[in-house]
Amino acid sequence: GAVVSQHPSWVICKSGTSVKIECRSLDFQATTMFWYRQFPKQSLMLMATSNEGSKATYEQGVEKDKFLINHASLTLSTLTVTSAHPEDSSFYICSALGGQPTEAFFGQGTRLTVV
Amino acid sequence: DAKTTQPTSMDCAEGRAANLPCNHSTISGNEYVYWYRQIHSQGPQYIIHGLKNNETNEMASLIITEDRKSSTLILPHATLRDTAVYYCIVRVGNNDMRFGAGTRLTVKP
Repeated sequence: GAVVSQHPSWVICKSGTSVKIECRSLDFQATTMFWYRQFPKQSLMLMATSNEGSKATYEQGVEKDKFLINHASLTLSTLTVTSAHPEDSSFYICSALGGQPTEAFFGQGTRLTVV
Repeated sequence: DAKTTQPTSMDCAEGRAANLPCNHSTISGNEYVYWYRQIHSQGPQYIIHGLKNNETNEMASLIITEDRKSSTLILPHATLRDTAVYYCIVRVGNNDMRFGAGTRLTVKP
C-alpha cells in the first residue's frame, strides 16, 4: 500500500522554541493532507486540512498562528508548532489522501515533548 | 462530531473471530465506511472499506447492513497482535476524516 513518512518520529524541545514536523507521501501525490493531534488515551483530533497550493483550513479552536501548516508540493506538508509550551506536548499524526476512491494513509506519528 | 458510534471496549480470545460493530445511522448515499486500527503509539493503519456490498481482504471482512446504518468488522482468527483501537469512519471523496472514540479490542491468550 501507499506509504506516508513522517519525520521526526519523536522530538524534545525547550519551551518557547519552534518545531517543524514533515509529512511526505512517498509513492503517490497527495493533494490533500490532514493533521491530527492525539493526547494519551484519547482519539485523534483533526487540527487542519491542508490542500496543496492553498491555505490550510483549521478546525475550530486550533490557532492557525501557532500551528503553521505549509503544503507547497504534492508530496510534502509541514506542521510547525511555534513558541511551543508544555501543553503542546502530544502525538501529532498526518494523513495523506490518494488512490481511487480516495484512501487516507497515515504517517507513523511524531511524539512532541516540550520541556 | 464523529458520525459513528462504537462500543468502548471488547475482548476476544486468541484464535477466535472478533466481531466489531459500528452504527452509522446518518450515513448518506455516497459515503463509504472505512475501518482503521491504531496500535499503541503508532499511526492508524487502514484495514478495509466498503460502500454497499460486503468486502473481504487479507486482513478482515466488512459486513454492511442492507440499510447501511450499521456495519461489522470481522477479524476471522484474532491474534495477540490484533490488540488495538479500531475506528469506524464514514466519509466521501476528499472530505476530512473525523475519528470517534473507537473500540479498544483486547485479544487474550
